[in-house]
Amino acid sequence: KNQVEQSPQSLIILEGKNCTLQCNYTVSPFSNLRWYKQDTGRGPVSLTIMTFSENTKSNGRYTATLDADTKQSSLHITASQLSDSASYICVVSRTVNTPLVFGKGTRLSVIA
Amino acid sequence: ETGVTQSPTHLIKTRGQQVTLRCSSQSGHNTVSWYQQALGQGPQFIFQYYREEENGRGNFPPRFSGLQFPNYSSELNVNALELDDSALYLCASSIGTANTGELFFGEGSRLTVL
Repeated sequence: KNQVEQSPQSLIILEGKNCTLQCNYTVSPFSNLRWYKQDTGRGPVSLTIMTFSENTKSNGRYTATLDADTKQSSLHITASQLSDSASYICVVSRTVNTPLVFGKGTRLSVIA
Repeated sequence: ETGVTQSPTHLIKTRGQQVTLRCSSQSGHNTVSWYQQALGQGPQFIFQYYREEENGRGNFPPRFSGLQFPNYSSELNVNALELDDSALYLCASSIGTANTGELFFGEGSRLTVL
């Protein structure tokens, strides 16, 4: 079954600290993996997109890694800010014209 | 801002009614996909339209239907509303299919069914 599992479900960290979110998938055949940030009640915003051949990609303080062999990805947030409080959703794409598979997200709260 | 706009932002309907949600895609994008997001869950794919034709559908009943217009804007129609249809409905536009192109999401339409 094509699934995306994210952990932890929720996380609370102090402002300025780093954190890492995990994504494991069983989706096959793999095309690409995406991370989105979704503020409460708003639409998701793309952070990174990685294909099979890419194992790391950065977007400012966000760095995503991909291990296509173990079907795992992580999103590392450096020097967290209050504005990083949001849900982070991992999405895996299979071949063309098949639905994207979304994880349930990790809810991150950054506190002062 | 993503350049994708959705309307209305919030609406309340009663069970059995019908609803139409609208989405204007980003300029130059020929594909629109629709998603249902229940509270605390990830988005679930409803369907995708490419150049006015439906070319992918998720596990949703036929009472969920859609349209894409020549300017690539799109509508999502839901008939015979049920309580479980209460959710945030997201549309996303892309160049080419959602699988390969980067998705740009709108802010969503929050539907409450009473």
